[in-house]
Amino acid sequence: GENVEQHPSTLSVQEGDSAVIKCTYSDSASNYFPWYKQELGKRPQLIIDIRSNVGEKKDQRIAVTLNKTAKHFSLHITETQPEDSAVYFCAAREDGGATNKLIFGTGTLLAVQP
Amino acid sequence: DGGITQSPKYLFRKEGQNVTLSCEQNLNHDAMYWYRQDPGQGLRLIYYSQIVNDFQKGDIAEGYSVSREKKESFPLTVTSAQKNPTAFYLCASSYLQGGYTFGSGTRLTVV
Repeated sequence: GENVEQHPSTLSVQEGDSAVIKCTYSDSASNYFPWYKQELGKRPQLIIDIRSNVGEKKDQRIAVTLNKTAKHFSLHITETQPEDSAVYFCAAREDGGATNKLIFGTGTLLAVQP
Repeated sequence: DGGITQSPKYLFRKEGQNVTLSCEQNLNHDAMYWYRQDPGQGLRLIYYSQIVNDFQKGDIAEGYSVSREKKESFPLTVTSAQKNPTAFYLCASSYLQGGYTFGSGTRLTVV
C-alpha cells in the first residue's frame, strides 16, 4: 500500500518568511495529493490540492509542487503570518483513484513567530 | 457546521465497554471515512465506505466496527477488543473523487 513521509515534523519561521514542507510517497499509481491545515482543537481543512497531470498549483500565498519522477510534493507558504500557525498534513490517494482512500503524512507543526 | 456532524465531542469509556461514535453528513457525499489521530502519528484510516451497505477495513481496523445503513450516517463502534482506544477520532466524507470534508472530531478517553 501507499506510504507517505512528511518533513519536517516542526518548523518555526519569522513572520514574513517563507515555509516549505515536503512529502514523499511510495505508490507510483497515486494521482491526487491534497494538503490540510489543522488549527489547534479544530478539524483539518483542505487548503490546496494537486493532481498528477499538473506540476504546480498556486492559490494566493500558497503553492504546491509535484515531482512525479521523484515521487515527492511540497507545500510552499510565502509571506507567512501568525494565523498560518497550525499543523499541516499532506496526503496521497492510494490505488490510482480506484477508491478515494487518502493516506496521510504524520504532520508538520508550523509556528510563525511575530 | 460544515455539513458533517460528529457526536459526542468528548466521550469517556470504562475498561471493557463498547462505545459508539456518531457521524452524520448532509452533503450528499457517497463516501465516508473514519480516522484516528494520535500525537506524532498523523491520521490513520480505520474504516471507509464508498456506498451504502458496503465498507472496507483501513490500516488499523482491529477492535473497531462500523455500519453504513444510510448514505448520511457512518457510526463507529470502539469495542472492548481495542486495547488502546484513547485518541481523537475524525470522521470525513467526500464524493467518490476529491477532497474530504472532516467533522469536528470526538475525543475518546478510557477511564
